[in-house]
Amino acid sequence: NAGVTQTPKFRILKIGQSMTLQCTQDMNHNYMYWYRQDPGMGLKLIYYSVGAGITDKGEVPNGYNVSRSTTEDFPLRLELAAPSQTSVYFCASSPGQGVNLHTIYFGEGSWLTVV
Amino acid sequence: EDKVVQSPLSLVVHEGDTVTLNCSYEVTNFRSLLWYKQEKKAPTFLFMLTSSGIEKKSGRLSSILDKKELFSILNITATQTGDSAVYLCANAGNNRKLIWGLGTSLAVNP
Repeated sequence: NAGVTQTPKFRILKIGQSMTLQCTQDMNHNYMYWYRQDPGMGLKLIYYSVGAGITDKGEVPNGYNVSRSTTEDFPLRLELAAPSQTSVYFCASSPGQGVNLHTIYFGEGSWLTVV
Repeated sequence: EDKVVQSPLSLVVHEGDTVTLNCSYEVTNFRSLLWYKQEKKAPTFLFMLTSSGIEKKSGRLSSILDKKELFSILNITATQTGDSAVYLCANAGNNRKLIWGLGTSLAVNP
């Protein structure tokens, strides 16, 4: 019952540090996403991928990078962390085909604080 | 521009009340509308709606879609404190990305 697994769950970064949020899914989903959610705000799409080797920008891509070398993994890289990147990050996946192509399944979230 | 608007933004009720949450949308080439429940962690899937007038039901929760008037409602009957959460609506159009509403924050008081 793993579904979407993301790590770490919590992290404190200093300004200017870099880190990678890991995400893996075992549902053989084509689509994967990274969202951020600030307190009281909606989900903002950072990057998404429709398959291995294909990534595209979402609404708020600045300061982040992604790669999708396999179907299962979709890591999110933060370069030169800034306080504005303090947020909760959710990785998610969806089948991308069939009746449930857009039904998204979320990881449990990563709470990131930049100080 | 594609968008999803949820109302009300927040709601406080007493246990046992019935609530109706609204989601209106404008999206190019509608495919589906989804409802999620978010407690203090990740959103969890509730319903996916693709056809007008067909009610989806799960226990005390139900939802229906009106593709002519471009809205959906989520009903919760006999509310319980465990229903306290943010309820998110999302719409899938022609794009590969979901368009999310800001959510309705529901608080159910004992």
